[in-house]
Amino acid sequence: GENVEQHPSTLSVQEGDSAVIKCTYSDSASNYFPWYKQELGKRPQLIIDIRSNVGEKKDQRIAVTLNKTAKHFSLHITETQPEDSAVYFCAALDAGGTSYGKLTFGQGTILTVHP
Amino acid sequence: DAGVTQSPTHLIKTRGQQVTLRCSPKSGHDTVSWYQQALGQGPQFIFQYYEEEERQRGNFPDRFSGHQFPNYSSELNVNALLLGDSALYLCASSSGLATQQYFGPGTRLTVT
Repeated sequence: GENVEQHPSTLSVQEGDSAVIKCTYSDSASNYFPWYKQELGKRPQLIIDIRSNVGEKKDQRIAVTLNKTAKHFSLHITETQPEDSAVYFCAALDAGGTSYGKLTFGQGTILTVHP
Repeated sequence: DAGVTQSPTHLIKTRGQQVTLRCSPKSGHDTVSWYQQALGQGPQFIFQYYEEEERQRGNFPDRFSGHQFPNYSSELNVNALLLGDSALYLCASSSGLATQQYFGPGTRLTVT
C-alpha cells in the first residue's frame, strides 16, 4: 500500500520568512496530493491540492510543487504570518484505481511562525 | 451551505463497551469517509461509504463497522472498545468519485 513520509516534523520561522514542507510517496499510481492545515482542536482544512498532470499550483501565498519522477511533492508558504502556525499534513490518493477513496497521510509538520 | 457535521463532540466510554458516532456530509456530497487520528499523528483511513455500501476499507479490525443511510449520513460503530481506540474520529465528505474530501470537526473518544 501507499506510504507517505513528511519532513520536517517541526519547523520554526520568523514572520515574513518562507516555509517549505516536503513529502515523498511510495505508490507510483497515486495521482492526487492534497495539503491540510489543522489548528489545535480543530478539523483538518483543505488548503491546496495538486493532481499528477500538473507540476505546480499556486494560491496567493501558498504553492505546491510535484515531481512525479522522484515521487515527492512540497508545500511552500511565502511571507508567513503568525496565523499560519498550525500542523500541516500532506496526503496522497490513487484516484483512478481501487483505492480511490483512501487518503494516506504523512505524519504532520508543526509550523510555528514567530512574530 | 451546511458543512460536514459530526456528533457527539466528546465521548467517554469504558473498555469493552460499544460506541456509535454520527456524520452528516456537506450539502451536495454523497460519499463519507471515516478516519482515526491518534494524538500527534496524521489521520488513518478506516473506510468509505458510497451508495450505502462500504467501497474501500483500511487496516482496521472488524470491530469497526459502519453504515450509510439514504440521506447520505453515516455512522461509525466500534465494538469491544480498547484503550487504544482513544482518538479523534473524523469523517470527511466528498462527491461520488471526486477526490476532494472535506472534514468534519471530529468526535473525541476517550476509552477508560
